[in-house]
Amino acid sequence: NAGVMQNPRHLVRRRGQEARLRCSPMKGHSHVYWYRQLPEEGLKFMVYLQKENIIDESGMPKERFSAEFPKEGPSILRIQQVVRGDSAAYFCASSPTDPSYEQYFGPGTRLTVT
Amino acid sequence: AQKVTQAQTEISVVEKEDVTLDCVYETRDTTYYLFWYKQPPSGELVFLIRRNSFDEQNEISGRYSWNFQKSTSSFNFTITASQVVDSAVYFCALSEVDSSYKLIFGSGTRLLVRP
Repeated sequence: NAGVMQNPRHLVRRRGQEARLRCSPMKGHSHVYWYRQLPEEGLKFMVYLQKENIIDESGMPKERFSAEFPKEGPSILRIQQVVRGDSAAYFCASSPTDPSYEQYFGPGTRLTVT
Repeated sequence: AQKVTQAQTEISVVEKEDVTLDCVYETRDTTYYLFWYKQPPSGELVFLIRRNSFDEQNEISGRYSWNFQKSTSSFNFTITASQVVDSAVYFCALSEVDSSYKLIFGSGTRLLVRP
């Protein structure tokens, strides 16, 4: 059973470009969470999705950030017009049908904005 | 409001020493879950343990043990006979039924085990 997959592992974007981060949850998991880890900081919740639904986006910046989890395919975290402050590690996590269970994390995508 | 505090920013020990990582949490919910995750230098996050608020039994898994005390809102983590491979950042986290189970992380404790 493959773990949570994220790609790309490393992404370099120039200021103003768009960044697309992908996450495939573990097989059988229907809950996806995105977290951001700024350099030398802890992890902060961004958004929680189930298939075709955003359940909680209270941690998402109001502008430039969006997320989706379509019926088919991976969850996507999209950052438009990236700025240097977006440089961080973005982690995706998934949990099984009961979301109270532990979340399993992907390896993360390290975004660098130049 | 929910909050997780890991007051120890960094701990350095010599191999084979025992070390305890502290975690204090705040929540208004009666049903909640506590977790520990390990982040080694390679950067991934490794799940270690999950505890629900109704189960205060301590747990031991090999060299790892956890002490959950609701009376002091603490969920401490002890590594016995530490090894160099235990060097990592350890995060304590809280999730609540009323907050969509999102993980609220502490700021982490960096553990360095010296040979």
